[in-house]
Amino acid sequence: DAKTTQPPSMDCAEGRAANLPCNHSTISGNEYVYWYRQIHSQGPQYIIHGLKNNETNEMASLIITEDRKSSTLILPHATLRDTAVYYCIAPSSGTYKYIFGTGTRLKVLA
Amino acid sequence: GAGVSQSPSNKVTEKGKDVELRCDPISGHTALYWYRQRLGQGLEFLIYFQGNSAPDKSGLPSDRFSAERTGESVSTLTIQRTQQEDSAVYLCASSLTANYGYTFGSGTRLTVV
Repeated sequence: DAKTTQPPSMDCAEGRAANLPCNHSTISGNEYVYWYRQIHSQGPQYIIHGLKNNETNEMASLIITEDRKSSTLILPHATLRDTAVYYCIAPSSGTYKYIFGTGTRLKVLA
Repeated sequence: GAGVSQSPSNKVTEKGKDVELRCDPISGHTALYWYRQRLGQGLEFLIYFQGNSAPDKSGLPSDRFSAERTGESVSTLTIQRTQQEDSAVYLCASSLTANYGYTFGSGTRLTVV
């Protein structure tokens, strides 16, 4: 797996965009970037994943730099319910052992 | 079912007792995973099942831990002679195939006293 680095915590005002960065400078060409989040006392929830193109779904957008060494998860209009720990992972192709680090603890403020 | 179901949601046990944790994956998901999450920590991989293939048990921390899965359905994680350091949330996830987006259950919070 490519090593990923995320800031330990971030705050965001309710209604504003939350931009969560992830560094994965050792990522190889066929490794996807996945984002999950874990709301207190729940199991992690899949958000989005991508390889090289930017991706968008109903939950978030994923922006991957052209060199693929970093990415940003964007929650366009953060709500209080988006307060959670956000994990960025880049598992090796064909592996199933996702390595979840300590992620970024996002706090959305009213 | 609609999601991954785990039971019990909470379990308090005395040190030295055995416990059994259950996971019902999403119907049709061939891959099933167990993870452990200690308080304030990230997730630790424990074991992986894929269809009828031999499971990958490389993450099990000791021989007190074992897991079984019947075909592509229910899985049980058994911890024998529980120790206080086994206290954690045990999370189960399933996916359609390996390396496909996981769906996690809500976990079993195990407290060993």
